[in-house]
Amino acid sequence: AQSVSQHNHHVILSEAASLELGCNYSYGGTVNLFWYVQYPGQHLQLLLKYFSGDPLVKGIKGFEAEFIKSKFSFNLRKPSVQWSDTAEYFCAVHGYNKLIFGAGTRLAVHP
Amino acid sequence: ETGVTQTPRHLVMGMTNKKSLKCEQHLGHNAMYWYKQSAKKPLELMFVYSLEERVENNSVPSRFSPECPNSSHLFLHLHTLQPEDSALYLCASSQDQGKAETQYFGPGTRLLVL
Repeated sequence: AQSVSQHNHHVILSEAASLELGCNYSYGGTVNLFWYVQYPGQHLQLLLKYFSGDPLVKGIKGFEAEFIKSKFSFNLRKPSVQWSDTAEYFCAVHGYNKLIFGAGTRLAVHP
Repeated sequence: ETGVTQTPRHLVMGMTNKKSLKCEQHLGHNAMYWYKQSAKKPLELMFVYSLEERVENNSVPSRFSPECPNSSHLFLHLHTLQPEDSALYLCASSQDQGKAETQYFGPGTRLLVL
C-alpha cells in the first residue's frame, strides 16, 4: 500500500534561514506528488504539485520541490523563510485513485 | 476562501447525540471528500463521492454516515460517537475523482465528543 513519510514533525527556524522539509513516499506506480500548506486558522491549500516533466517544481511564495525518483523523495525547499511561512506542511501522493497524506511538519519561523 | 464552506466550524456533542456536518462547494466540481485530521496523524480519507455516488469508504465505522444529495452538497451524519472520534473533519472537492487533480479544502469542523 502507498504511504508518505515526513521526517520532521517540528522545525524551528529564524527568518532568512533556508528550509528543507523531507518527504519520502512508497508507491509502485506513476506518481503524482503534492505539497499542501495549512496556515494558522486557515484551510489547507495547495503549495505546489508534480505530475511529469521537469523534476524541479516551483510553487507559490518562493517554494520549490524536487522529485528524485531513485530516492522516492519529494523534498520541499525555500532559500530564505519569512515569519509568514509559519504553518503546517503536508506532503501527499496520489495513487490508486486517492490522495495519501503524510503526518505533516509544523514549521515555526521566529523574527 | 477556497469556494468550499463547512458548517458548523465547532461542535461539541455527547456520545448519545446525533448531529450532522455540512459541506458546500461553489466550484462546479464533480467529486467531494471527507477527511479526518487528528493531531500528529496523517489526514485520513473517510469517504469519496463522485457525481453523487459513493466510490470510496475507507473502513469507516457505521456511526459515521455520509450523504451527497447533489454535486454541491455533502453531509456527514454522526451518531453514538466515541471520545476518540474527536478531531478536525475536513471536506474537500476536486473537478473529478480518480485523477490526480488539486483538491480544494474547506476550513473544517472541529469536533469534540464528550
